Amino acid sequence: EIVLTQSPATLSLSPGERATLSCRASQSVSSYLAWYQQKPGQAPRLLIYDASNRATGIPARFSGSGSGTDFTLTISSLEPEDFAVYYCQQRSNSPVTFGQGTRLEIK
Amino acid sequence: EVQLVESGGGLVQPGRSLRLSCAASGFTFDDYAMHWVRQAPGKGLEWVSGISWNSGSIGYADSVKGRFTISRDNAKNSLYLQMNSLRAEDTALYYCAKDMADDAFDIWGQGTMVTVSS
Repeated sequence: EIVLTQSPATLSLSPGERATLSCRASQSVSSYLAWYQQKPGQAPRLLIYDASNRATGIPARFSGSGSGTDFTLTISSLEPEDFAVYYCQQRSNSPVTFGQGTRLEIK
Repeated sequence: EVQLVESGGGLVQPGRSLRLSCAASGFTFDDYAMHWVRQAPGKGLEWVSGISWNSGSIGYADSVKGRFTISRDNAKNSLYLQMNSLRAEDTALYYCAKDMADDAFDIWGQGTMVTVSS
C-alpha cells in the first residue's frame, strides 16, 4: 500500500497570503495524484487531478505540481473561503489511498 | 444536475448487517466506475471499495475485505454496499463517489452515517 504523508499537519496563514501544501508518496505514483478540499459538514471537493490539472470550476489561484513522489498544492492568494482541510489521494496503485490531511486555518 | 444521494445508514449493533445505497442522476451512470469512501468522526478519508462500470473489476480495502460487498445496478442508476459483521471501527460517514475515468473522484454525495454500537 502506498502511504501518502502530508505536511504540515496544520498551516496558519492570513487571507491574501500564499499557501504551500506538500504531499509525499512512499513510492512513485507517477502523476496519478489528486487534491481535495473539505469544509466542515461538507463532502470533499475535487480541486486538482493528474497532479496539475484543475477540476471544473476551480479558481486559478489553486495550482498543483510534482510527479513521482513529491507533490505540492499552492494557493496563490488565500481567500476567506479557502480555510479548510486538504487531502491528497493516489490512484497509481491499489488500494486507493489518501493522505492524513492538512488543516489550513486563519492566523 | 449531477448528483449522488446516499441512504441506508443508521445505528446497528456489532455483528449485524446494513446495506447502503447511492442513487445517481445527471450523468450516464454506466459509463463510470464508482466508489465508497468513509470518514470516521473527526478523522481523515479512507477508501472502502470500488467497482468498474460493468462490475468486471472490484476492489476492497483490507479493513473490509470479506465483510463488505459492493455492487451496482446500471438499470437503476444505483450503487450499493452490503456491510456484514459490522464492527465499532466501521462507524463513519460513508460517501459514494464517481470516478473521473480511472482518475480522481469528481462527484461526491453528502454521505450517510453508520454507527456501530451496542
